[in-house]
Amino acid sequence: QQQVKQSPQSLIVQKGGISIINCAYENTAFDYFPWYQQFPGKGPALLIAIRPDVSEKKEGRFTISFNKSAKQFSLHIMDSQPGDSATYFCAASPSNSGYSTLTFGKGTMLLVSP
Amino acid sequence: SAVISQKPSRDICQRGTSLTIQCQVDSQVTMMFWYRQQPGQSLTLIATANQGSEATYESGFVIDKFPISRPNLTFSTLTVSNMSPEDSSIYLCSALPAGQTYEQYFGPGTRLTVT
Repeated sequence: QQQVKQSPQSLIVQKGGISIINCAYENTAFDYFPWYQQFPGKGPALLIAIRPDVSEKKEGRFTISFNKSAKQFSLHIMDSQPGDSATYFCAASPSNSGYSTLTFGKGTMLLVSP
Repeated sequence: SAVISQKPSRDICQRGTSLTIQCQVDSQVTMMFWYRQQPGQSLTLIATANQGSEATYESGFVIDKFPISRPNLTFSTLTVSNMSPEDSSIYLCSALPAGQTYEQYFGPGTRLTVT
């Protein structure tokens, strides 16, 4: 599987601040880029996803920015809240598989301080 | 979306034994997958569970170690065979709801500790 590189490994943000997590990929066949949120003891939950035909997608406080030429995408969490404290995984999937075969980044542990 | 349950939620097993993990989805799904998540690490795909045929395994995973069944559209099992402490991980089931191609939903995971 092609690698998806995620940074930073951990992040501390004050309440109300902006959390930014970055991912980079190598496989140009990737065309679906989801972000998952995982709380301790729970399975990952799909948060937001983007396809490369758009450069940005926003859902509430969560925004994905996508740069196809740089093969990078990032998650921005606006007005970060303590309840956002979790581990975030980016992932990528190619279209030639006919269905989603996800390659995950290593995860970012986000702590939002009150 | 799909609601996925797994049993057991956790277990402590002795080395050399086997454990079968069950995954149940509340609606029909096209694809089911099994992942491994080692403590504090990312998710690694073990295999795709195919209904009515042998599972498709990723590099580094073999059927003798991780036999998988999928007898119908909503249920799958993963067995971790001849366990060693290195098998201590969280095992996660995921599924693609019918009509969707990309949006995978995950179960809560099974936390396995091998002593």
